[in-house]
Amino acid sequence: SQTIHQWPATLVQPVGSPLSLECTVEGTSNPNLYWYRQAAGRGLQLLFYSVGIGQISSEVPQNLSASRPQDRQFILSSKKLLLSDSGFYLCAWSVLYGGSYNEQFFGPGTRLTVL
Amino acid sequence: KNQVEQSPQSLIILEGKNCTLQCNYTVSPFSNLRWYKQDTGRGPVSLTIMTFSENTKSNGRYTATLDADTKQSSLHITASQLSDSASYICVVTLRNSGNTPLVFGKGTRLSVIA
Repeated sequence: SQTIHQWPATLVQPVGSPLSLECTVEGTSNPNLYWYRQAAGRGLQLLFYSVGIGQISSEVPQNLSASRPQDRQFILSSKKLLLSDSGFYLCAWSVLYGGSYNEQFFGPGTRLTVL
Repeated sequence: KNQVEQSPQSLIILEGKNCTLQCNYTVSPFSNLRWYKQDTGRGPVSLTIMTFSENTKSNGRYTATLDADTKQSSLHITASQLSDSASYICVVTLRNSGNTPLVFGKGTRLSVIA
C-alpha cells in the first residue's frame, strides 16, 4: 500500500531563517507530487506541483521554492522566511487513473510558525 | 471562474444530533466531487466521491448528495459523535485539466460537543 511521510511535524522558525520541509512517498512510482499551504481559517492553496524528477511548476509567486531530487521525494524550501509563511503545509500525491489525475492523497502535514 | 463555496463556515452541534453541510460550485467542465474530512493538525482524508451521474453516496454515517443541475452538494452526518469534530472540505475535479484538476472549498469546521 502507499504511504506518504512529511517531516518535521512542527517547526518554529525566526523571520529571515531558511526552511526545508521534506515529503516522501512509498508504494507508488512516478506520482505527481503537490505542495499546499493552509493558512488559519482558509482553504488549501496550491503552491507547487511536480510531474517528474526535476520538473517543478509554481502556482503562486512567493519566496518559496520546491525541488524533486528523486522520484518519490519532494522538498519545499525558502532562503529567508517571512511572517506570512506561517501555516500548515501539506504534501500530496496523485497518479494517472482513467486518463486523469483525479484523487490526491495527503500527508500528515507540517505546522510552521514563523516568529 | 471556477469556485467552490461551502456553508456554514462553522457549526456546533450536540453529540447524537444530525447535521448537513452545503457545497455550491461553479466548476466547468465537471468530473467529480469529493468530500474530505480533515482532523485538526492532520491531512485531509477522502470520505465520498460522486460523478456526474450519481446523486447520492454513503460511507457509514456520512451521506453525500449531488445535484448536478443546480451544482449543489450536501454532506449529511447522522447521529454525530465527538470524533466527527473536524473540517469538512468539498473538492470538485475539473475534467480534462491535466495535472492540477482540483478546486477546493474553504471547508466547514464542525464541532460536536457532549
